[in-house]
Amino acid sequence: EAGVTQSPTHLIKTRGQQATLRCSPISGHTSVYWYQQALGLGLQFLLWYDEGEERNRGNFPPRFSGRQFPNYSSELNVNALELEDSALYLCASNILGGVTEAFFGQGTRLTVV
Amino acid sequence: AQKVTQAQTEISVVEKEDVTLDCVYETRDTTYYLFWYKQPPSGELVFLIRRNSFDEQNEISGRYSWNFQKSTSSFNFTITASQVVDSAVYFCALSEIGYGGATNKLIFGTGTLLAVQP
Repeated sequence: EAGVTQSPTHLIKTRGQQATLRCSPISGHTSVYWYQQALGLGLQFLLWYDEGEERNRGNFPPRFSGRQFPNYSSELNVNALELEDSALYLCASNILGGVTEAFFGQGTRLTVV
Repeated sequence: AQKVTQAQTEISVVEKEDVTLDCVYETRDTTYYLFWYKQPPSGELVFLIRRNSFDEQNEISGRYSWNFQKSTSSFNFTITASQVVDSAVYFCALSEIGYGGATNKLIFGTGTLLAVQP
């Protein structure tokens, strides 16, 4: 069974540009979570989607947005990139209704230059 | 507010030594879940264990063991006879329960970098 997959693995963008990161959850999982792991800041919760709806949002500016598609895959968009957006972005999936462990993907390393 | 503290930033041990990674949490919820994840250099977070707030039994899985004590709000992780392959960053996390009774989000500690020297 395939795990959580994220693409691309690495992404280099220029300040001011937009970045789009993608995540495919484990088959049967309806919830997708996004986390940012920036150097020195640890793992910070960004967004939670389930059944196509945004269920919760972390303390990030509106230029961080996303969506979840009918097949439960998800996209994270970061607009007007700033240098401090450089980080590893991790996606996790899990089923709704049970507090199970979340399974994480390998991450997308975003570098803003 | 919910918070997870991993006071040990880095630990270095020699292979075959036992090592304990500390985790202290804060929450006002009566129902919550605690997790440990391992992050090797590849970056992916690997799930190790989940424990709910009503189950204080210690758990052992091979060389790994976990000690959950609600009285001290701690959930410590011990690796017995450490190996070089155990070298990684280890994160303790606390779940916040939200919509539908599901994990609203995970609140992570800052992680402990474990270096096991041969």
